[in-house]
Amino acid sequence: GAVVSQHPSRVICKSGTSVKIECRSLDFQATTMFWYRQFPKKSLMLMATSNEGSKATYEQGVEKDKFLINHASLTLSTLTVTSAHPEDSSFYICSAIRTGAEEAFFGQGTRLTVV
Amino acid sequence: KQEVTQIPAALSVPEGENLVLNCSFTDSAIYNLQWFRQDPGKGLTSLLLIQSSQREQTSGRLNASLDKSSGRSTLYIAASQPGDSATYLCAVGDIQGAQKLVFGQGTRLTINP
Repeated sequence: GAVVSQHPSRVICKSGTSVKIECRSLDFQATTMFWYRQFPKKSLMLMATSNEGSKATYEQGVEKDKFLINHASLTLSTLTVTSAHPEDSSFYICSAIRTGAEEAFFGQGTRLTVV
Repeated sequence: KQEVTQIPAALSVPEGENLVLNCSFTDSAIYNLQWFRQDPGKGLTSLLLIQSSQREQTSGRLNASLDKSSGRSTLYIAASQPGDSATYLCAVGDIQGAQKLVFGQGTRLTINP
């Protein structure tokens, strides 16, 4: 199967700072990547759709100025949590779909803790 | 708005048993349906993908069925093993939006040796 790598796996940051999370498709090109957020013992909620070379599409209720998404190449999308606060602490997971295919492959996730 | 529900929320069975996990969705206009496995604190591993035109998919001891008209899917696990212990997530692909997935809350499965 296709491999999606997410980095870092864990990050602790101070309130008010920004954190960047990377999502890479290692062995395939992905025109579209997705960013999800998962609260403890809850399911995944789609935050935004990241499109290579264009602006991300955000789901209702997700602040685009707080969660900056950049999909600069066919193998890399980044999510930057700006001015992080404790309520932003969560598990963030990205997924990628091979261009022309349908199956979604997920990264390992990033556990963000804001103190 | 599509909603996905998984029952039961948790299941504990002895090793060797066959078991069924259930997933239901409210809007039958789906693109596809995927079953995933998630280990604690980890990402998701894709298990099976069923296209909207298909009825079932099989991989090893796993078999997933899809009944679009009734809005249901099942994941059948044969001869369960302790290594199968994980949370199983069902996700429905949105027919409108570039394979966006709507997830159920998952079934936490424990296989007891």
